Amino acid sequence: KNEVEQSPQNLTAQEGEFITINCSYSVGISALHWLQQHPGGGIVSLFMLSSGKKKHGRLIATINIQEKHSSLHITASHPRDSAVYICAVMNTGNQFYFGTGTSLTVIP
Amino acid sequence: DTEVTQTPKHLVMGMTNKKSLKCEQHMGHRAMYWYKQKAKKPPELMFVYSYEKLSINESVPSRFSPECPNSSLLNLHLHALQPEDSALYLCASSQSTGGLGYTFGSGTRLTVV
Repeated sequence: KNEVEQSPQNLTAQEGEFITINCSYSVGISALHWLQQHPGGGIVSLFMLSSGKKKHGRLIATINIQEKHSSLHITASHPRDSAVYICAVMNTGNQFYFGTGTSLTVIP
Repeated sequence: DTEVTQTPKHLVMGMTNKKSLKCEQHMGHRAMYWYKQKAKKPPELMFVYSYEKLSINESVPSRFSPECPNSSLLNLHLHALQPEDSALYLCASSQSTGGLGYTFGSGTRLTVV
């Protein structure tokens, strides 16, 4: 069993739709990261969370420490949001665990 | 400067070649990481350097040899690689191994022929 589980694995949305990607983890964490990776490209860190909620532009990330769950929301989705979104957690031993990613395609 | 810079962006090498990947950051981060990522898979940790000392080696074959000459620079020396080593190699850095300020580079796409 993976320490970090993401859902859905694949997601196709129409431009303008509200998108939610979920992440559940099974280890004690010091921080959770949401990462974005475009095809063939490097990884960009979108958020680092240890509690509550963060917002950056059209992106919102929330975390519930008690339930070991985080969500990434994209409002008013756009084709340029098409990418793989990866949830990654740093456990209390400073080990980093990655989810398998959610491949998002936004259709114009 | 809030970036991790990796060079080259693409590399094709033969199985008998020796090459090096380079990673540089000027954010004052004291932890640096090498990851290997195969297509459609999450990154896999290879090495962690903390304060220029190797702190984690995830049982990586000796044909991969990391080097941290100073706090801003991390190299990965490659020798006698196999075609299955073809992958995206990602470098990352953070303020410390506690993960604060975790920043990834854009990667080096390596093809071994």
